[in-house]
Amino acid sequence: EADIYQTPRYLVIGTGKKITLECSQTMGHDKMYWYQQDPGMELHLIHYSYGVNSTEKGDLSSESTVSRIRTEHFPLTLESARPSHTSQYLCASSGFNEQFFGPGTRLTVL
Amino acid sequence: QKEVEQNSGPLSVPEGAIASLNCTYSDRGSQSFFWYRQYSGKSPELIMFIYSNGDKEDGRFTAQLNKASQYVSLLIRDSQPSDSATYLCAVNKGYQKVTFGTGTKLQVIP
Repeated sequence: EADIYQTPRYLVIGTGKKITLECSQTMGHDKMYWYQQDPGMELHLIHYSYGVNSTEKGDLSSESTVSRIRTEHFPLTLESARPSHTSQYLCASSGFNEQFFGPGTRLTVL
Repeated sequence: QKEVEQNSGPLSVPEGAIASLNCTYSDRGSQSFFWYRQYSGKSPELIMFIYSNGDKEDGRFTAQLNKASQYVSLLIRDSQPSDSATYLCAVNKGYQKVTFGTGTKLQVIP
């Protein structure tokens, strides 16, 4: 079944740790996105990719980095987590225009 | 002026009534328009998209687009308590990056 997956779904981690949030899609989409969303607040685009080896920063400045080595995989890395990184991180993919979202990762940095 | 504007609500409607959600956008070159539903704590779910002026119906949902007025709306007929969610309007300017509005919170009162 074509879908978009994110792991872990929930992560509680201490300050200074390096973390990688995983996103994979089996929809055959070229374009993938990472959004950050605080509870009750708007979506903020932090990274996007239009294909393998293509990555761009989004509208919201972020200390995270991404890579796109395989079409189906778009991981996001925080080298040193801080409490200000506490948020929900949503991955999305699109083929033509419509974006489809994964279930999200809720990150808490203590 | 924000690229995509929505009234944050909450919009309260009684069960069985028609809910009308509105969205305006600033860029006349915008080509594709989307409505997403987001339940609290969940990721956005695509419910409608529209590309051409006029109405597009899908079950209880109707999307309306007026490019001259730069206005897109979503009508939900026979509103149900399960429709209570935040509805996000999204606009694509033709080069794949989608801009989301801040969302309108809908409350359907039983």
